[in-house]
Amino acid sequence: EPEVTQTPSHQVTQMGQEVILRCVPISNHLYFYWYRQILGQKVEFLVSFYNNEISEKSEIFDDQFSVERPDGSNFTLKIRSTKLEDSAMYFCATTSGRNYEQYFGPGTRLTVT
Amino acid sequence: RKEVEQDPGPFNVPEGATVAFNCTYSNSASQSFFWYRQDCRKEPKLLMSVYSSGNEDGRFTAQLNRASQYISLLIRDSKLSDSATYLCVGTSGSARQLTFGSGTQLTVLP
Repeated sequence: EPEVTQTPSHQVTQMGQEVILRCVPISNHLYFYWYRQILGQKVEFLVSFYNNEISEKSEIFDDQFSVERPDGSNFTLKIRSTKLEDSAMYFCATTSGRNYEQYFGPGTRLTVT
Repeated sequence: RKEVEQDPGPFNVPEGATVAFNCTYSNSASQSFFWYRQDCRKEPKLLMSVYSSGNEDGRFTAQLNRASQYISLLIRDSKLSDSATYLCVGTSGSARQLTFGSGTQLTVLP
């Protein structure tokens, strides 16, 4: 069964550093999303991406964040200058658009020290 | 007001019990609804979509009442492996992004 994959599984970085989180969507899926989950809190939407552009973003997704699909397979989330409060699980999700059922990758645990 | 509200639980039930979870949503424009399950420190996994006509998948039955803005999940003959957090989820926006409830924790006891 096709799966969404994410790398790395765990990233530790110092405050102010840039990080790039990577996702490989399911191959025939066209809509991509990033969500985050701070420990003990609910899953929150960050951004959606379709047809090589952002389609929607939340208030969390400020100028420090960016997304791109650099090579037609990977889908990346970049945080330019990490803050302590960026520590969370970051999940990539994708859907073919049929029923809009989204399938999640295993997540990247980001720890900012 | 929270967009998607769930009873956080925890629900502790014996194996074989029937357990019901409820959820309400405030955004009447939400188009689609789902139940996901999440194991500790893992990703949400899609359990089932929720339709007004109701849908059943084995021991799981989900129901949507748009007039009351209410969603339910029924688990029959619960198994130890059903222990998880159950997330009520709706879509919103042009990108159909997911809005999650805080989840209801279920523990099935032997």
